[in-house]
Amino acid sequence: DGGITQSPKYLFRKEGQNVTLSCEQNLNHDAMYWYRQDPGQGLRLIYYSQIVNDFQKGDIAEGYSVSREKKESFPLTVTSAQKNPTAFYLCASSTALSNQPQHFGDGTRLSIL
Amino acid sequence: GQQVMQIPQYQHVQEGEDFTTYCNSSTTLSNIQWYKQRPGGHPVFLIQLVKSGEVKKQKRLTFQFGEAKKNSSLHITATQTTDVGTYFCAPWYYKLSFGAGTTVTVRA
Repeated sequence: DGGITQSPKYLFRKEGQNVTLSCEQNLNHDAMYWYRQDPGQGLRLIYYSQIVNDFQKGDIAEGYSVSREKKESFPLTVTSAQKNPTAFYLCASSTALSNQPQHFGDGTRLSIL
Repeated sequence: GQQVMQIPQYQHVQEGEDFTTYCNSSTTLSNIQWYKQRPGGHPVFLIQLVKSGEVKKQKRLTFQFGEAKKNSSLHITATQTTDVGTYFCAPWYYKLSFGAGTTVTVRA
């Protein structure tokens, strides 16, 4: 079955540590996205990519970095510069960067030790 | 970025009752999507509205796009326990912008 796989499901970060969240899709979608979700809030866009080797900052990119070396993969690194990283992180994809429905992974819950 | 307001933020419904959640924008929208997120789950696409005054139905769910394309609503009839979750509207500007959502709980 086609879908989006995020790993790990739960992740713990120590102070000053960078961590990388994995996102892989086999839907053959061109566009991929990373969102952050905090309790009681909607989804806020961190980064998005419409093609390989190209990505753009979203609304809250500070303290995060991404890469898009393969169409299927869009990993997100939460750097030590992100002072409040505890959140639920969701990866999504769509056929193109347009008003197409987005398909989401199951998410990664990141916590600070 | 562009903002949309979803009301109410929380909706406690008796099983079998109807309810409506609203999504309001100060600017004209080109189109709007609706998603549902079950507790502990991820958002799932429900529907997209494009035309002014458009009404679409999915079983007990009725979605409407306002005539001025500045607001949208989701009406659920005869609420069931399976309707529990958070419903997000997501207007498209140059990207999807999610509202804060309406979290629905159901009293059996």
